[in-house]
Amino acid sequence: QTVVTQEPSLTVSPGGTVTLTCASSTGAVTSGYYPNWFQQKPGQAPRTLIYSTNNKHSWTPARFSGSLLGGKAALTLSGVQPEDEAEYYCLLSYGGAVVFGGGTKLTVL
Amino acid sequence: EVQLVESGGGLVKPGGSLRLSCAASGFTFSNAWMTWVRQAPGKGLEWVGRIKTKTDGGTTDYAAPVKGRFTVSRDDSKSTLFLQMNSLKTEDTAVYYCASFLIGVWGQGTLVTVSS
Repeated sequence: QTVVTQEPSLTVSPGGTVTLTCASSTGAVTSGYYPNWFQQKPGQAPRTLIYSTNNKHSWTPARFSGSLLGGKAALTLSGVQPEDEAEYYCLLSYGGAVVFGGGTKLTVL
Repeated sequence: EVQLVESGGGLVKPGGSLRLSCAASGFTFSNAWMTWVRQAPGKGLEWVGRIKTKTDGGTTDYAAPVKGRFTVSRDDSKSTLFLQMNSLKTEDTAVYYCASFLIGVWGQGTLVTVSS
């Protein structure tokens, strides 16, 4: 069974920079896994931030960026704002299946 | 406005069935691969299944825990996505979301509770 691994929790100071990663148990993550990143705040539905590695939607703040880093998919937040405190999930596509990571709880402190 | 609205959730006994619907608006539904995702209470997101566009074959894929019990279908004439859930188990209890990852739209979710 394929497992997608994220950091369980990260803490960042307001105005700082933080990188969340997304690893696959099958090996290096490439653009062919079409990494997506989602943000979810308590009591709300998820919101898509990044699709296909590094593509943003019109509502995605400029401080969010997606990339591939060291064999993993990565989400970098530059100039973190208090409202960025949330759970972040990545998703990887494996042909006929899709797997979510376990999520990263980002605390802004 | 791009929007997805789920309906059909509720309380059902183990072994029972339920059909969820997801009404789409604001985009060309027939051009979108559509996905169901669920979230058990206090847990993370879990992919349930998806259906491709008719242009791409209209085929479906499912997560292992629901394969053979759940069926995803679509009615492009009504811009509606469906999830037929049979042989429900207590571990299927979750909020069920419909989504289009490429368009970036999610519904608000509908709660399914499987309990005797």
